[in-house]
Amino acid sequence: AQRVTQPEKLLSVFKGAPVELKCNYSYSGSPELFWYVQYSRQRLQLLLRHISRESIKGFTADLNKGETSFHLKKPFAQEEDSAMYYCALSGQAGNQFYFGTGTSLTVIP
Amino acid sequence: DTEVTQTPKHLVMGMTNKKSLKCEQHMGHRAMYWYKQKAKKPPELMFVYSYEKLSINESVPSRFSPECPNSSLLNLHLHALQPEDSALYLCASSRKPDGSSGNTIYFGEGSWLTVV
Repeated sequence: AQRVTQPEKLLSVFKGAPVELKCNYSYSGSPELFWYVQYSRQRLQLLLRHISRESIKGFTADLNKGETSFHLKKPFAQEEDSAMYYCALSGQAGNQFYFGTGTSLTVIP
Repeated sequence: DTEVTQTPKHLVMGMTNKKSLKCEQHMGHRAMYWYKQKAKKPPELMFVYSYEKLSINESVPSRFSPECPNSSLLNLHLHALQPEDSALYLCASSRKPDGSSGNTIYFGEGSWLTVV
C-alpha cells in the first residue's frame, strides 16, 4: 500500500518568513515524489519533482529516504505563494499516482 | 506543450440524464487518468488507462463508465448519477513511451459537474 501524509491542513506565515510544508510517505518500493500547487481557480500544476532536484519559484524539496519525507521549503514566503499544496507519490509502475490531503498556505502581508 | 484539454468546463445534469465528459492530450502520453475532486479535498483517483487499456479502477460505481477511444482521447460516461457525485472531474496524462516525461502527471482544468 502507498500513502502520503501532509499533517498540516492549514498553514499561515508572514511575508518574508521561511515556510516548510511537511510531507511523509509510506511505500514498499522506490517511489517518485512530487509537489503540486493549485492556485485559486486554476488547474493543478507541477511545482517540482524529486528526481529533478531543481528549485522552482524559490521552493526546494529534498527526499529523505531514511525519514520517508519530502518536505517543501522556501526561505522567504511571498504573498503569491498562497495556494493549496499537494504532495504526491508515483509508484514504480508509474500508473498509480496518489495525493496527500493537501496543505492550504496563506502568506500574510 | 503540456496541455490537457477537458470539455465541457461546466455541466449540470439531472439524475436520469446520460452525459459524457471528454479529455484530449497531444503530448504522446500513454497513460491517462480520471480523478474526482471535492471542494478543499485532494484529487481522488478513479480510473487509469495505460496504452488504451483500463489498468486501474478504484472501485468506482458503475454509473461512471470510462472509455479510451485512442491514445489521445479519454471519455467519462455518466448515467444515473446522484447529487453527491457533484464535483470537479479532472483528467490527466503522463508517460511518454521513451520515458522522457518520467512519471510526471499533467492535469486539465477540469469539468465542474453538478447533479440536480
